[in-house]
Amino acid sequence: GEDVEQSLFLSVREGDSSVINCTYTDSSSTYLYWYKQEPGAGLQLLTYIFSNMDMKQDQRLTVLLNKKDKHLSLRIADTQTGDSAIYFCADRGIGAGNMLTFGGGTRLMVKP
Amino acid sequence: KAGVTQTPRYLIKTRGQQVTLSCSPISGHRSVSWYQQTPGQGLQFLFEYFSETQRNKGNFPGRFSGRQFSNSRSEMNVSTLELGDSALYLCASSFVTYKSGYTFGSGTRLTVV
Repeated sequence: GEDVEQSLFLSVREGDSSVINCTYTDSSSTYLYWYKQEPGAGLQLLTYIFSNMDMKQDQRLTVLLNKKDKHLSLRIADTQTGDSAIYFCADRGIGAGNMLTFGGGTRLMVKP
Repeated sequence: KAGVTQTPRYLIKTRGQQVTLSCSPISGHRSVSWYQQTPGQGLQFLFEYFSETQRNKGNFPGRFSGRQFSNSRSEMNVSTLELGDSALYLCASSFVTYKSGYTFGSGTRLTVV
């Protein structure tokens, strides 16, 4: 089946930029999503990118997509302690209905 | 606008019992999907319902089932519970099926003892 991979952990200092990386295997991916999960909570949609785009910016968030390498990244500018959470990338392929394939999540820790 | 509501928030059941979880999607959303989240397996897709029809199903045993009602509310049922069914069960709803992403509820934490 399709696979989505993420590194497990990232630690940054408050005010620095964070870059969370994701790789996927599905050549037919249509949309790719970034979700945030805080302790005890569900998943919050942060942003998404359509597969024919290279980049999308949304306030402090920048998503870069390299379709050739099947690599997706999420950059958080001026990272704050409130950004500490687990970040999931997810892939929706053609014909997948509304099924998303999630990566294992990257735990972001922001140190003051 | 109310979000996706899942009930109950927490549940403790005994092995062999069955359980029903409920999900009320955002008003106007017709697609409801269910996911299981565990520390070992991460987030795994269970099934998706659209207009009362199951449109997609993940790789779970037949003990896991679901349905959707005419008001788009959905329930999932797990019969003959096993310890490994302990997980956070998340429901997601969407309106336009791909552009707007999927809004998740806070989940139901099921513990099987």
